[in-house]
Amino acid sequence: GAVVSQHPSWVICKSGTSVKIECRSLDFQATTMFWYRQFPKQSLMLMATSNEGSKATYEQGVEKDKFLINHASLTLSTLTVTSAHPEDSSFYICSARDWKVRTGQETQYFGPGTRLLVL
Amino acid sequence: DQQVKQNSPSLSVQEGRISILNCDYTNSMFDYFLWYKKYPAEGPTFLISISSIKDKNEDGRFTVFLNKSAKHLSLHIVPSQPGDSAVYFCAAVTSGTYKYIFGTGTRLKVLA
Repeated sequence: GAVVSQHPSWVICKSGTSVKIECRSLDFQATTMFWYRQFPKQSLMLMATSNEGSKATYEQGVEKDKFLINHASLTLSTLTVTSAHPEDSSFYICSARDWKVRTGQETQYFGPGTRLLVL
Repeated sequence: DQQVKQNSPSLSVQEGRISILNCDYTNSMFDYFLWYKKYPAEGPTFLISISSIKDKNEDGRFTVFLNKSAKHLSLHIVPSQPGDSAVYFCAAVTSGTYKYIFGTGTRLKVLA
């Protein structure tokens, strides 16, 4: 399957600092990427949809000023957690939408995730 | 409102036997379904998908069945292997929305 990378895989930061997480599609171009958050023993919660060259679409309850998303190219989306607090500690996962024009089949391929710990 | 449900949080199966993971959905607009496998502290890995125009899709040891009238899909793994032990998520999407709705996952443990 397609490869999506995330960096960093682990980050520990102090409360009040900002953290940037990168998501890259390595072998395909993705006009649409997604950012999820997973709490322990729970499902993946979609935070926002990132579209290349336009503003991200945030899900209800997700603060757009808190979680800044930039999709600057067809292979890169970034999520910046601004002024992070301990309650932002979580596992953040991105995915990239791979759409095969010829077959109309689409699949989201996920990155390995980033574990954020805010002290 | 949980639109996609996996009612069994865990399942244990003997190696070599069949694993059946179930998923129910409520939104009749969903027309594409996927199964993902996830290990701890890793991102989900795509396994298999099915469009609503089909009722079965097979890929190696993995088969997904879709019953649209019952709004139910299942993933069959046969034969089960210890390496299959992971959390399995089903996801549903409506064409054109790109938004996947995930179930809560089922933890499969394959016993050697």
